[in-house]
Amino acid sequence: DVKVTQSSRYLVKRTGEKVFLECVQDMDHENMFWYRQDPGLGLRLIYFSYDVKMKEKGDIPEGYSVSREKKERFSLILESASTNQTSMYLCASNKNPSLHQTATNEKLFFGSGTQLSVL
Amino acid sequence: GENVEQHPSTLSVQEGDSAVIKCTYSDSASNYFPWYKQELGKGPQLIIDIRSNVGEKKDQRIAVTLNKTAKHFSLHITETQPEDSAVYFCAAVTAWAGNMLTFGGGTRLMVKP
Repeated sequence: DVKVTQSSRYLVKRTGEKVFLECVQDMDHENMFWYRQDPGLGLRLIYFSYDVKMKEKGDIPEGYSVSREKKERFSLILESASTNQTSMYLCASNKNPSLHQTATNEKLFFGSGTQLSVL
Repeated sequence: GENVEQHPSTLSVQEGDSAVIKCTYSDSASNYFPWYKQELGKGPQLIIDIRSNVGEKKDQRIAVTLNKTAKHFSLHITETQPEDSAVYFCAAVTAWAGNMLTFGGGTRLMVKP
């Protein structure tokens, strides 16, 4: 069965702390994504990666960075957490439909999410 | 860029009734429209999708319709059951924007037994 695993279900951090959110997929997917989910705003794309060591900004990358050192693992980093980064963070992955296409959002597989609270 | 609006934000129906959730999109170049269901404590899961060359698609009790001219698409759930209670997200994909998904704000559906 397809699986995307996020390391923490709940996380509480202090303002200014450096925060790491980890995501692992076991499906050999090329593409991995980080979204944040806020009530009424849906899911907004922070960053995505279509290959190891490759990253692309999404719609709201400010205050975040990412790391993809291995194909199965995609990390979201909050360099200096702020209260407005309190949110649900969702990791997702999918496979490239063809060799000629890079990141695509078709048929995403999501993790269960990490609820981050920054106090 | 693309803008997707979803209505209503909450929807309460009686078990057995139908539920309809509507989304509008702004970019006429959008060509793929998925729907995701998010149950409590879980990540969203794709339940049905439709491409711009098709007007309607059905899968058992769920169906999606697309009106390209009006730039809106809808999710229809018939004979609702308590296990349909969840948050539903629509989305649109625009090929020129690197195939990125733009999500609607979500609809919380509550099915009362």
